[in-house]
Amino acid sequence: DAKTTQPTSMDCAEGRAANLPCNHSTISGNEYVYWYRQIHSQGPQYIIHGLKNNETNEMASLIITEDRKSSTLILPHATLRDTAVYYCIVRVGLTSGTYKYIFGTGTRLKVLA
Amino acid sequence: EAQVTQNPRYLITVTGKKLTVTCSQNMNHEYMSWYRQDPGLGLRQIYYSMNVEVTDKGDVPEGYKVSRKEKRNFPLILESPSPNQTSLYFCASSPGHRGDDEQYFGPGTRLTVT
Repeated sequence: DAKTTQPTSMDCAEGRAANLPCNHSTISGNEYVYWYRQIHSQGPQYIIHGLKNNETNEMASLIITEDRKSSTLILPHATLRDTAVYYCIVRVGLTSGTYKYIFGTGTRLKVLA
Repeated sequence: EAQVTQNPRYLITVTGKKLTVTCSQNMNHEYMSWYRQDPGLGLRQIYYSMNVEVTDKGDVPEGYKVSRKEKRNFPLILESPSPNQTSLYFCASSPGHRGDDEQYFGPGTRLTVT
């Protein structure tokens, strides 16, 4: 199964862009990359996902390298409320037609005032 | 309001006493899943279900059972809980129709087994 590797923690100044990297070097061609975040011990919250192309929504941008072995989540203007643990996840398709999710251990992002 | 609910939110129990954690979603989602979260290990998938009567093991299924008799409910059953099942548990659901739909998570159930 594809696995993800993320830095344990990062700091970012408020108002600056936060760039969170993720390595998923064993990802297969049809496996999606998802990003979620978790604030304290609440249920994880969806941020964005992608397959091959870069993606952008109202929360963030996702940059996926051409070889798909890594990606970067970008929070363009980090606020204090963005302080959370960010998870990079690979969704693995199975031969049965179903799929499962492989979570990394996450990056603890701290936004500093 | 579209949501995933879990009950109970907190539970302290003793070794060997059977328990069930309920999970319900009101979004008519086909895919449902259970995760456990432990310090330093992130979230790990226990079981998942693509639809009614279809369930599959995730990465850490030992000691757990699930059932999917109705689309909206996906209870997690611990027949004989042990202290190593002390953890934070999350239920999640997703539409299951598209190839890339997102999961919606419940608020979590903190279980302590003594």
